[in-house]
Amino acid sequence: GENVEQHPSTLSVQEGDSAVIKCTYSDSASNYFPWYKQELGKRPQLIIDIRSNVGEKKDQRIAVTLNKTAKHFSLHITETQPEDSAVYFCAASWSGGYNKLIFGAGTRLAVHP
Amino acid sequence: EAGVAQSPRYKIIEKRQSVAFWCNPISGHATLYWYQQILGQGPKLLIQFQNNGVVDDSQLPKDRFSAERLKGVDSTLKIQPAKLEDSAVYLCASGQVYGYTFGSGTRLTVV
Repeated sequence: GENVEQHPSTLSVQEGDSAVIKCTYSDSASNYFPWYKQELGKRPQLIIDIRSNVGEKKDQRIAVTLNKTAKHFSLHITETQPEDSAVYFCAASWSGGYNKLIFGAGTRLAVHP
Repeated sequence: EAGVAQSPRYKIIEKRQSVAFWCNPISGHATLYWYQQILGQGPKLLIQFQNNGVVDDSQLPKDRFSAERLKGVDSTLKIQPAKLEDSAVYLCASGQVYGYTFGSGTRLTVV
């Protein structure tokens, strides 16, 4: 079955710096790659997603890139702010699997003022 | 639109007791998922429903966990008997095709 690996497990940056989180997936049939942000004690919330027919997608300070050949995708956060501090999860799914999401283990991002 | 509703928010039980969680998905969402999130880990899929049918329960410990979705809407997840390692947040999510919405979850502590 699908397996998603996520790195790093923790990331500490200074406010204003960029942060990059990387994920790799195992099933080449995967075609949908969302990123979720989870603040302490709260539900995971979708922040950006990308489908396999697109190589990059941006939404203000966040962007996601996808390399289908290498089977990896990355989240990029620019001009980080303290409120970006949270745990970020990548996930992958494929339509043949009824779109069930398989999650990475998460990255704890700390943005220091 | 209203979000995914879950109850209770918190539950503390002793091992070997039983517990049930309830989920009401977003109206019109055919797919409903139950995930288990152990502290410090990513959500792990337990069971997936399409309308009121199960499409994937391969990760559900069926000797103690059960779930049902009546009339393709609300769902309940039950644990009987509970073990210490079942302590986790149980998240319900619903969706259409891409991207789904999570509920606030039920935090279960087994002592």
